[in-house]
Amino acid sequence: QVQLVQSGAEVKKPGASVRLSCKPSGYTFTDNAIHWVRQAPGQRLEWMGWINGGNGFTKHSQNFQGRVTLTRDTSASTAYLELSTLTSEDTAVYYCARLAQWPSEVGLDYWGQGTLVTVSS
Amino acid sequence: QSALTQPASVSGSPGQSITISCTGTSSDIGSYNFVSWYQQFPGNAPKFMIYDVTKRPSGVSNRFSGSKSGNTASLTISGLQTEDEADYYCSSYTTSDTWVFGGGTKLTVL
Repeated sequence: QVQLVQSGAEVKKPGASVRLSCKPSGYTFTDNAIHWVRQAPGQRLEWMGWINGGNGFTKHSQNFQGRVTLTRDTSASTAYLELSTLTSEDTAVYYCARLAQWPSEVGLDYWGQGTLVTVSS
Repeated sequence: QSALTQPASVSGSPGQSITISCTGTSSDIGSYNFVSWYQQFPGNAPKFMIYDVTKRPSGVSNRFSGSKSGNTASLTISGLQTEDEADYYCSSYTTSDTWVFGGGTKLTVL
């Protein structure tokens, strides 16, 4: 069965960077894109970006211009999100999710368990 | 990219039907049939409920249905059950090759 396992909770100081990982299993990593979505406490889902598992192409929200880097390691079948220059407003649960199939099934069908990132001095 | 517009809350009684709207623009909902819906319980990851506006993934109850007209998509839940009480989010692909989520709607089953 398909699973996405994310790295553990992080506590960071303002101005620092954080790198999160997402390791899917149960399918061929390079066949699907991975999306990153975050949710601040009590707030809505916010789309951050996506990476093509095959060719590594990325696209991210302009809301994170210059601060977000999406990468993947195909040998480790793992996707990574790095967010820099953290502020308290980046405190959130960060989810990775698989895009089911482009363009025939456009939706995020499997989600990781989420990683809580706390930014505090 | 602004969030899609959803009502903050909707409510209904068991057995009734409710509809949650999701309004975007001609740059997202209006341009593609790539609207999806997610159900989220507190403390849990979202669950995939609807994709490509109207399609249900395997295992999702047929009480959930989706539709779209112009720049507005809708999720209808029929035969409301207490276990449907959750937050619901819409999402759409955009002309910028990005995605956008709605503000979320809290469903209360009275």
